[in-house]
Amino acid sequence: KNQVEQSPQSLIILEGKNCTLQCNYTVSPFSNLRWYKQDTGRGPVSLTIMTFSENTKSNGRYTATLDADTKQSSLHITASQLSDSASYICVVSGRGGADGLTFGKGTHLIIQP
Amino acid sequence: NAGVTQTPKFQVLKTGQSMTLQCAQDMNHEYMSWYRQDPGMGLRLIHYSVGAGITDQGEVPNGYNVSRSTTEDFPLRLLSAAPSQTSVYFCASSRRATGRIKNIQYFGAGTRLSVL
Repeated sequence: KNQVEQSPQSLIILEGKNCTLQCNYTVSPFSNLRWYKQDTGRGPVSLTIMTFSENTKSNGRYTATLDADTKQSSLHITASQLSDSASYICVVSGRGGADGLTFGKGTHLIIQP
Repeated sequence: NAGVTQTPKFQVLKTGQSMTLQCAQDMNHEYMSWYRQDPGMGLRLIHYSVGAGITDQGEVPNGYNVSRSTTEDFPLRLLSAAPSQTSVYFCASSRRATGRIKNIQYFGAGTRLSVL
């Protein structure tokens, strides 16, 4: 069964610090891996999307990495801000269709001033 | 830019009532999907559509119906609401992935539904 596991479940850090969120997956076949940010009470918003041949992708202070051999991805947040407080969801696409997505449960990140 | 619009934002139903959750997108996307999000669980696919007139079931379709008469609209119907359908519902749309085009999903703001 296709699975996406994220760790940690929740994380609290001080404003200005860096943090790294983890995503391990067992999805086959593999098409691409996405990271979404979901603010409280809002829908998820895409941060990055990486295919098999891409091992790093940046979006401002967010940098995602992908190791397709070990089936692991990480999302690194640099110089965190209060607005980074949100849930971060890892999603793996096994096929091109809308039914080929496997969602992780998310990491709940809290940035404290 | 409206993107994906969901209505209503909040709804309370009694067991057995029916209702329709509306979803509209103005990006001319081929793909549209409905998800539910429950505490401690990832988003789960209810139904999806790859184009007008075409719908298919996702992971948790029971108790829900959909139709796609136009590219823009993809309503989700609850025929007889049950307490187990208390959840947050998200509609998403994306382009069809071809070659270099990745089907990045755009989500609506969600509908928070409580069934008593």
